[in-house]
Amino acid sequence: ETGVTQTPRHLVMGMTNKKSLKCEQHLGHNAMYWYKQSAKKPLELMFVYNFKEQTENNSVPSRFSPECPNSSHLFLHLHTLQPEDSALYLCASSQDPRGGGETQYFGPGTRLLVL
Amino acid sequence: SQQGEEDPQALSIQEGENATMNCSYKTSINNLQWYRQNSGRGLVHLILIRSNEREKHSGRLRVTLDTSKKSSSLLITASRAADTASYFCATAIGMSGNTPLVFGKGTRLSVIA
Repeated sequence: ETGVTQTPRHLVMGMTNKKSLKCEQHLGHNAMYWYKQSAKKPLELMFVYNFKEQTENNSVPSRFSPECPNSSHLFLHLHTLQPEDSALYLCASSQDPRGGGETQYFGPGTRLLVL
Repeated sequence: SQQGEEDPQALSIQEGENATMNCSYKTSINNLQWYRQNSGRGLVHLILIRSNEREKHSGRLRVTLDTSKKSSSLLITASRAADTASYFCATAIGMSGNTPLVFGKGTRLSVIA
């Protein structure tokens, strides 16, 4: 266990559905990240939150909407997704974003299938 | 954009053998990290090596860094079936905050019992 939990672990949704992914870290970290991992592609950074403020949005389509109510929780709201959005979505956290390239602790991921 | 490239893409060895994976990158880095991912799971941090370090050890893991060649290697000695996983290098290119890691595509290691 890395101290980062994600729910749900598996999700199947239609293209018209609205769902949310949740991430919680119990490490007292100040930075949280969303990544997308598709088959045969590098891990893609989607969003970065430092001290609850979004500091990076890596040209992610607006059908993905992140929310960070506090330093321990991170959500990814999904709506009108496309089949190509099917992937493993990973959440990660690190202690202090000011450190530059710190070790990241990952959750187990949510396997998303869009039909 | 800056990206680590692992080599080989896939590696299959017998239990007890050593496994070596390589990572090349393009620009100067602050540090380089190696992560392991079991199938369908999250990544687990293995080791971090800073730009002013040349070699680090952690148990059966040995990481080297050659900044002149912009490359790193991960050696797993006396491999076990449980080492079967994908291994990723990640580079941090900034010296200040808000520096995200950039991951490569990974090396898929299979250790056959």
